[in-house]
Amino acid sequence: DIQMTQSPSSLSASVGDRVTITCRASQSIRVYLNWYQQKLGTAPKLLIYTASTLQTGVPARFSGGGSGTDFTLTISNLQPEDFATYYCQQTESPSGSFGGGTKVEV
Amino acid sequence: QVTLKESGPALVKPTQTLTLTCTLSGLSLTATGVRVSWIRQPPGKAPEWLARIDWDGDKFYNASLKTRLTISTATSKNQVVLVMTNMDPEDTATYYCARAFGSGSYSYFDYWGQGILVTVS
Repeated sequence: DIQMTQSPSSLSASVGDRVTITCRASQSIRVYLNWYQQKLGTAPKLLIYTASTLQTGVPARFSGGGSGTDFTLTISNLQPEDFATYYCQQTESPSGSFGGGTKVEV
Repeated sequence: QVTLKESGPALVKPTQTLTLTCTLSGLSLTATGVRVSWIRQPPGKAPEWLARIDWDGDKFYNASLKTRLTISTATSKNQVVLVMTNMDPEDTATYYCARAFGSGSYSYFDYWGQGILVTVS
């Protein structure tokens, strides 16, 4: 099965910062990588699909990149509402495995 | 407006069978291309995909849990049902249903239910 590894597992940042989260797949997943944001007590929310396509309604300060095994999620100009946990998910294989998450803290 | 809502017991005993229902609104289970998945998330951990059912009746399961899972639909009620047998305390998690948009590798969960916390104790 495809393993997804996120780094870091947590990070501290301030409003206005630029933050980058990395997701690595154990084998090539081409561009089939999604990013979700989750706030405490709520369901994950889709941010980006196929590595770099912004979901409708998601602010342009979120961007994604990468292909193959290495991917990034970048949040430019971090806003107060962006403090949350972020997960990557691969859909190359039917298991649709998620990464372990990155918590973005104040 | 598409909404999904999970329902079922909040507490089950070890070895019991869990039955969860996902009720869809604004989305018909019989419409071409509709796919609904169940995903669970243990407290403080990452989500884990469990199973999916497609509009044409195709079913897919997490390989590691396949022997314990059954997914089905109650089309007249526009509901997706997940049955998980032989529950264990490690199955304690929030269980979500979600719409899986796309096909093949091009797929993502764009609509999620609010989730239901199931405790096994």
